[in-house]
Formats: sequence, C-alpha cells, structure tokens
Amino acid sequence: DAGITQSPRHKVTETGTPVTLRCHQTENHRYMYWYRQDPGHGLRLIHYSYGVKDTDKGEVSDGYSVSRSKTEDFLLTLESATSSQTSVYFCAISVVAGVSYEQYFGPGTRLTVT
Amino acid sequence: AQSVTQLGSHVSVSEGALVLLRCNYSSSVPPYLFWYVQYPNQGLQLLLKYTSAATLVKGINGFEAEFKKSETSFHLTKPSAHMSDAAEYFCAVSSNNDMRFGAGTRLTVKP
Repeated sequence: DAGITQSPRHKVTETGTPVTLRCHQTENHRYMYWYRQDPGHGLRLIHYSYGVKDTDKGEVSDGYSVSRSKTEDFLLTLESATSSQTSVYFCAISVVAGVSYEQYFGPGTRLTVT
Repeated sequence: AQSVTQLGSHVSVSEGALVLLRCNYSSSVPPYLFWYVQYPNQGLQLLLKYTSAATLVKGINGFEAEFKKSETSFHLTKPSAHMSDAAEYFCAVSSNNDMRFGAGTRLTVKP
C-alpha cells in the first residue's frame, strides 16, 4: 500500500461543467502522475508532476490541467467536461527501487460525462 | 520513443493450465520492463520488473517473465493457472520516470 487515495471514487457530471479530481499521498514522493484508462488503450499519461508547482504534459493532455501546491496533493481539472473524457482516472506515484523506478497506483476514479 | 505491444487482448485458459501473456517492446535505450495486474475495480499492482540484473524475473503469485533481447520480448508466464488469476494484465516499459503501457490482456480462467 503506497498510501495513495483518490477522491471522488465515482462521479457523474454533465457536458460543459468543470470537474476536479484529487490525488493524495502520505509518503512525500516527488513524482506524481495522472493517467486515464480506456478499453483498448491501456493507460495513457495525462500530466505529471516532479515537485511542488512543477508539472508537465503527457501524451493526452488536451482538455486537462493540473496543479500541485503541496507535495501530498495533485489535482486534475477538466475545465469543461466532454463525453470523450468519460474514463477511469488513475493517480500514481513513482518510487526509487534499486536502479529503477516503480510506479504505484491509487484505486481510481470513474468519471462519466453525460 | 519507447512502446510496448501486447499480443492478444483476451486470453482464456483452463484452471491448472499454463498461462502465457505476450509482450514485445520497442526502446532506443536498455529498457526497464514491468508487468502489472489489475483486478476488477482496483488500481494496478506491480507483479514483477526487469532491470537487467537477471533475464528471468520472478514475481508475486507464481508469475515469472523472461527478458529476451534478441526477440525484444518480455512474456509473462505461470505454470498452473488458478481461478484467482483472472484479471487484466499490463506490460510497461520505462526510462527516466517515463512509463508507457500496453493495451492490456484480459485473462479468463475456466474451471
């Protein structure tokens, strides 16, 4: 258990509304990630953070923004939700393990945009 | 750019049979390779990883994977499937904290 929680766990929202998902970690890991999971695509990186106020885009960042004002919290915002953003969203942290990194995942947030 | 391809989106085996899930990678640098498992309504859990220390890697729950550079493969195996192995499995490749996942293989275990 890497001490990662996500909130909410489930959300249904309407097209055009803003949505914020929260990822919280308890172990002060520097790197945090947001992925979305869709059938046939595996996990795709949306944004990641390498420290407080330090973030960068992943491969599917359009329509998403992130913020990290504290080490323990990484927020993902959909400024104006669209049906194509219906997905399961996972937060992850990266941990140094030997010569490599390992990523550990939260339980996920299932978002439905109607 | 690095990537992985998982051959077969669905694999079905009988309980007690060999499990073989295929993964091929593409990487311009020596890769770190991972297998993750996802049970329904849960996040991903690390099964095992390859970091060049040994080509045959043993993981949790009786799974193992062999790194074959000549074939650019990292297939996941288990000698005898158990009903509890039914899940979705993801292969991933990583360098410099950038991890790329395959599309996943759903394993079904028949009694």
